[in-house]
Amino acid sequence: DSGVTQTPKHLITATGQRVTLRCSPRSGDLSVYWYQQSLDQGLQFLIQYYNGEERAKGNILERFSAQQFPDLHSELNLSSLELGDSALYFCASSVVRGRGEQFFGPGTRLTVL
Amino acid sequence: TQLLEQSPQFLSIQEGENLTVYCNSSSVFSSLQWYRQEPGEGPVLLVTVVTGGEVKKLKRLTFQFGDARKDSSLHITAAQPGDTGLYLCAGVESGSEKLVFGKGMKLTVNP
Repeated sequence: DSGVTQTPKHLITATGQRVTLRCSPRSGDLSVYWYQQSLDQGLQFLIQYYNGEERAKGNILERFSAQQFPDLHSELNLSSLELGDSALYFCASSVVRGRGEQFFGPGTRLTVL
Repeated sequence: TQLLEQSPQFLSIQEGENLTVYCNSSSVFSSLQWYRQEPGEGPVLLVTVVTGGEVKKLKRLTFQFGDARKDSSLHITAAQPGDTGLYLCAGVESGSEKLVFGKGMKLTVNP
C-alpha cells in the first residue's frame, strides 16, 4: 500500500459526459501528479500540483482540468468525454525537491461507451 | 519521439533464467527510477539511482545507472513467476521535476 488513495476504482460513462476523479496523497506529500495510461501510449504525464498551485503541465487536453485543495487532495475533471479517453488514470504523490520518487495510487479505470 | 526507450518491449522466459532490460535516452537525467506494475494496479517504485555508474541490488534484481546518466539497466537473476509484470523506467531530466516514463517491458516468467 503506497498510502495514495484514488476513487472511484472504476467508472463507466457515455461520450459527451463529465467525470471527476479524486486523489488523496500520502501524508506529508505536498505534490500531486496525474497520469493517463493507455495500451498504445504508455504512462503519460498530465499535470502536477504543489501545495495547491499548478507546477507543471504535460500532455493534458483542454477538456481536462485539475485542482489541488487546501487539504492537499486533488481532483481531475474530464469533460466532453470521447471514446479515446478510456484509460487508466493514476495519481501519484511525492516530496518535491527529492529525487523525483513518486508513489502511485491504485488508479481509476475509466470506460467511455 | 519517446524520450526513454526500453528494450526489449516483451519477454517471455522460463523460471530460473536470467534477463536484462535496457533503458536508453539521449538526455541526461538527474535521477532515474525503476517501477514494477501489475495489471490493473499502480506502478510500485523499486529503486532510484542518482550517481553515474551507480549499481544497486535488490535481492535478485541489479540496477545500474550509466556513467553519463543517460541510460540504465535492470538485470534479474534466476527469474521467478512472481517477477511477472510490467517494468518501467522513468527519469527526471536535469533541471526539471517532471518524471518521464518509458513504455515498459512486459515480462512473463513461466513456471
